[in-house]
Amino acid sequence: EDKVVQSPLSLVVHEGDTVTLNCSYEVTNFRSLLWYKQEKKAPTFLFMLTSSGIEKKSGRLSSILDKKELFSILNITATQTGDSAIYLCALNTGTASKLTFGTGTRLQVTL
Amino acid sequence: NAGVTQTPKFQVLKTGQSMTLQCAQDMNHNSMYWYRQDPGMGLRLIYYSASEGTTDKGEVPNGYNVSRLNKREFSLRLESAAPSQTSVYFCASSGWIYGELFFGEGSRLTVL
Repeated sequence: EDKVVQSPLSLVVHEGDTVTLNCSYEVTNFRSLLWYKQEKKAPTFLFMLTSSGIEKKSGRLSSILDKKELFSILNITATQTGDSAIYLCALNTGTASKLTFGTGTRLQVTL
Repeated sequence: NAGVTQTPKFQVLKTGQSMTLQCAQDMNHNSMYWYRQDPGMGLRLIYYSASEGTTDKGEVPNGYNVSRLNKREFSLRLESAAPSQTSVYFCASSGWIYGELFFGEGSRLTVL
């Protein structure tokens, strides 16, 4: 079974802090690693990473993949209360975009 | 632009009752998926349909059936609901086999 482990499970920070969320996996052969943000309802897509060492960036969020050490990180700088959500990491290991998800990291940003 | 639409959003069933969750997407995507989300378990794949006319089991298919009615619609049926099927169900679609998934807003099902 493909395993995706996220850490920490939950995190509380103050607005303005920088956070790093971790995603490690045991699969060596996969097509892509994806990050999603889930607030109240549907997960929304953040990043897709396919190549090791290449950072993807969108505003205050960035992510990088290390295929040698089998992990990815999601960084959020200058956090805001609107960043409060569950952040999900997922691997696409086969055909048809079947994703294997980690359990997620619950981030709470307080004033 | 609706994206992925699921119905109903909430449902309460008694053990042994049956029901169907409906899902439709308007993005002309080939692939569609049903996931369930439980506390501490993340999202787990129940069934998927790589293209119209095909369906395959995912990680947790027991107790469920699916129908890919046409390219737009993919339904999930619980024939005899059990309390263990209490969960939030998400339908998703994807435009290509390596692409990201687009999710519906979820259906919260409680089985008493």
